[in-house]
Amino acid sequence: KAGVTQTPRYLIKTRGQQVTLSCSPISGHRSVSWYQQTPGQGLQFLFEYFSETQRNKGNFPGRFSGRQFSNSRSEMNVSTLELGDSALYLCASSSMQETQYFGPGTRLLVL
Amino acid sequence: GQNIDQPTEMTATEGAIVQINCTYQTSGFNGLFWYQQHAGEAPTFLSYNVLDGLEEKGRFSSFLSRSKGYSYLLLKELQMKDSASYLCALVNNAGNMLTFGGGTRLMVKP
Repeated sequence: KAGVTQTPRYLIKTRGQQVTLSCSPISGHRSVSWYQQTPGQGLQFLFEYFSETQRNKGNFPGRFSGRQFSNSRSEMNVSTLELGDSALYLCASSSMQETQYFGPGTRLLVL
Repeated sequence: GQNIDQPTEMTATEGAIVQINCTYQTSGFNGLFWYQQHAGEAPTFLSYNVLDGLEEKGRFSSFLSRSKGYSYLLLKELQMKDSASYLCALVNNAGNMLTFGGGTRLMVKP
């Protein structure tokens, strides 16, 4: 089975812009979670989707949003980018309450 | 809320054994994961403990004590490629959210 894939792998944006990141889960996995990783805060949970519904959300501002499509692919969007949004954004997929497997991540740099 | 503590850095010698501890305070969780993350790469799954006790998988073992709020990851016969960060994470009761500790950066020296 192919692993979790994320696109793009690297992204440079400027403050105030918006960005959309994409994640394709492992085939058959219906749960997709998103995490932000920074040197200062470590790995933090953003949100989780299952069958196109957001089931859980972390403590991030409303500028961070996501969605999931009927084929379980997911996107996350960050609007009005701030310098502090520079991070590695990781997507993970899992089957029902099983282990989460991570994709390679999208490294976002906000200038 | 949840609080998860791990040592920030550890150093060990190739061929040796190292134990990475993880202590936590939480109101409830389904299980505890250990992930390995090499610099610039994604976390990869190492082990999952639901019940108290030791889970062994090759050179890696993980232990959980719910009553003590404590887990450890034991790495035997250390290899240079084991130099990485090791992340302890609690999964919530719904099984859909991981809360991570800050990670332990392990350096293996010849």
